[in-house]
Amino acid sequence: DTAVSQTPKYLVTQMGNDKSIKCEQNLGHDTMYWYKQDSKKFLKIMFSYNNKELIINETVPNRFSPKSPDKAHLNLHINSLELGDSAVYFCASSHTGANGGAFFGQGTRLTVV
Amino acid sequence: AQSVAQPEDQVNVAEGNPLTVKCTYSVSGNPYLFWYVQYPNRGLQFLLKYITGDNLVKGSYGFEAEFNKSQTSFHLKKPSALVSDSALYFCAVFHSGNTPLVFGKGTRLSVIA
Repeated sequence: DTAVSQTPKYLVTQMGNDKSIKCEQNLGHDTMYWYKQDSKKFLKIMFSYNNKELIINETVPNRFSPKSPDKAHLNLHINSLELGDSAVYFCASSHTGANGGAFFGQGTRLTVV
Repeated sequence: AQSVAQPEDQVNVAEGNPLTVKCTYSVSGNPYLFWYVQYPNRGLQFLLKYITGDNLVKGSYGFEAEFNKSQTSFHLKKPSALVSDSALYFCAVFHSGNTPLVFGKGTRLSVIA
């Protein structure tokens, strides 16, 4: 199926741990994003990559490090997890020039205990 | 910078009645506007978008939205609400190139049988 897929869907971990969330899209898009949805459901952009290059890095702690091995993948690694990192993280992709429409993954619900 | 505002946190409507979810935008230049829906524990699904052309845009699941340039609004509408329409609705704006979508805070729609 053509889609944006994220793994895992749920992630429960202890404070201080390091974890990764993977994202893959098979839509042939050249731009990928990570969004964070907090407990109030606000959606905020974290990172944006175009053709494997970082183009947007919002005010996100440097414990968060995105990695794009190729255009179809954008993984998110988080070091030294904190309670406040608990949220739902959404990966999305789009094609430059497609007037902005983005496709979203199902989300990864991260719970830090 | 571009932004959208959704003035209502919650909209309640009886099944079979028309529904409106409000959105206003602020953007320099021509706006590209979107509506997404998020069902519980799911990712965001694209509903419709306005790029140019007719002010009334038709989208998925019987939804439509009206672009009003003078009022800088892009309200989501449906003539007859269904219980299954109950979800979280996000308005979003896109500016240009590979900039990410900027989302409103979301409006929770509850359709009551």
